Amino acid sequence: SSELTQDPAVSVALGQTVRITCQGDSLRSYYASWYQQKPGQAPVLVIYGKNNRPSGIPDRFSGSSSGNTASLTITGAQAEDEADYYCNSRDSSGNHGDVVFGGGTKLTVL
Amino acid sequence: EVQLVESGGGLIQPGGSLRLSCAASGFTVSSNYMSWVRQAPGKGLEWVSVIYSGGSTYYADSVKGRFTISRDNSKNTLYLQMNSLRAEDTAVYYCAREVKGYSSGSFDYWGQGTLVTVSS
Repeated sequence: SSELTQDPAVSVALGQTVRITCQGDSLRSYYASWYQQKPGQAPVLVIYGKNNRPSGIPDRFSGSSSGNTASLTITGAQAEDEADYYCNSRDSSGNHGDVVFGGGTKLTVL
Repeated sequence: EVQLVESGGGLIQPGGSLRLSCAASGFTVSSNYMSWVRQAPGKGLEWVSVIYSGGSTYYADSVKGRFTISRDNSKNTLYLQMNSLRAEDTAVYYCAREVKGYSSGSFDYWGQGTLVTVSS
């Protein structure tokens, strides 16, 4: 099965812009989705498709993709954005029904 | 309003079996792609299984042959039958609905999760 690789930890100063990346071969075939997870809570979808935000997600969250790398950008990070972020996509190797997640990135807002 | 409510978790001995349920409201389970995703304590998310609206099922290699995903259309409920449980299956299990019309495995609704602990 495919793998998605994320940096384990990233930090950003309050109000600044941060980019979280996700790399993997499956991203050449499928868009990445991005999830925010806070301690003790279920994940929340923040970006899907080319660059779609579900209802209720602030517009400071945006997504982009190039080749085998997808990025989640938070423009003007807020204290409440401190969380774990996961990317995922459908698996392009072998069984296309399978889904793969990245290992997650812990975002610290300083 | 879309809601997913998992149940059935608990403490189980290695080698035992457990069936998780995910009761859905606000939409029809059989019309959507539905998955189980798990998260071991302090670890990341791991996809477990999916059932398509047409009935096709897929499993992660780590659970293939031991877990079975199914649904009861009359109860609008998703299930995960887990057999031959191992310590490494210990995790919070979430059911999740895929965004309709997108094939990329985007999960727009998640349940609150149910904890499965496999230990003697």
